[in-house]
Amino acid sequence: DAGVTQSPTHLIKTRGQQVTLRCSPKSGHDTVSWYQQALGQGPQFIFQYYEEEERQRGNFPDRFSGHQFPNYSSELNVNALLLGDSALYLCASSLLLADTDTQYFGPGTRLTVL
Amino acid sequence: AQKVTQAQTEISVVEKEDVTLDCVYETRDTTYYLFWYKQPPSGELVFLIRRNSFDEQNEISGRYSWNFQKSTSSFNFTITASQVVDSAVYFCALSEPGGKLIFGQGTELSVKP
Repeated sequence: DAGVTQSPTHLIKTRGQQVTLRCSPKSGHDTVSWYQQALGQGPQFIFQYYEEEERQRGNFPDRFSGHQFPNYSSELNVNALLLGDSALYLCASSLLLADTDTQYFGPGTRLTVL
Repeated sequence: AQKVTQAQTEISVVEKEDVTLDCVYETRDTTYYLFWYKQPPSGELVFLIRRNSFDEQNEISGRYSWNFQKSTSSFNFTITASQVVDSAVYFCALSEPGGKLIFGQGTELSVKP
């Protein structure tokens, strides 16, 4: 049973560039959530996708956008990168309407903005 | 507003010692879920336990046990006879059903041989 996968593992970009991160959910899951984790901090919720729509959004600017595909995989896009966007980006999947909608996390993508 | 507080930033113990990680939460919801996740140096968050707000029974799983007390809004995590492999950052989190996770700042546990 494949768990949550994310690509790439690491990424280095310069200020002003754009980046796309990818996530494939755990088999059988239909919901994908994205989190940003700065060094030494707890993860912060970015947004959640269900049925190809953004269902919830955290306190992040419009530079952060996402997409969910019919196969439930998801992308996170960040435009006009800032130094402060350097972080570990975590994707989590879950089964929204299940009795146990626990979120399971992937290994993360470490983004460095220079 | 929902909030999770893990007052212990770092804990260091010697192998075989018992250790308790504290978690205090705030929410106005009557239905909510509490979680503990482990984050080893590799970075991946590993799910440990989920508890709903109506279930105050304590739970034990091997060397791990959890104490949920609604009266004090606490959900503490105890590792008995700690091992070096338990070294990691541990996060407590809170969510509404189907909702986003609100994480605490994490407690870094170091277990020395």
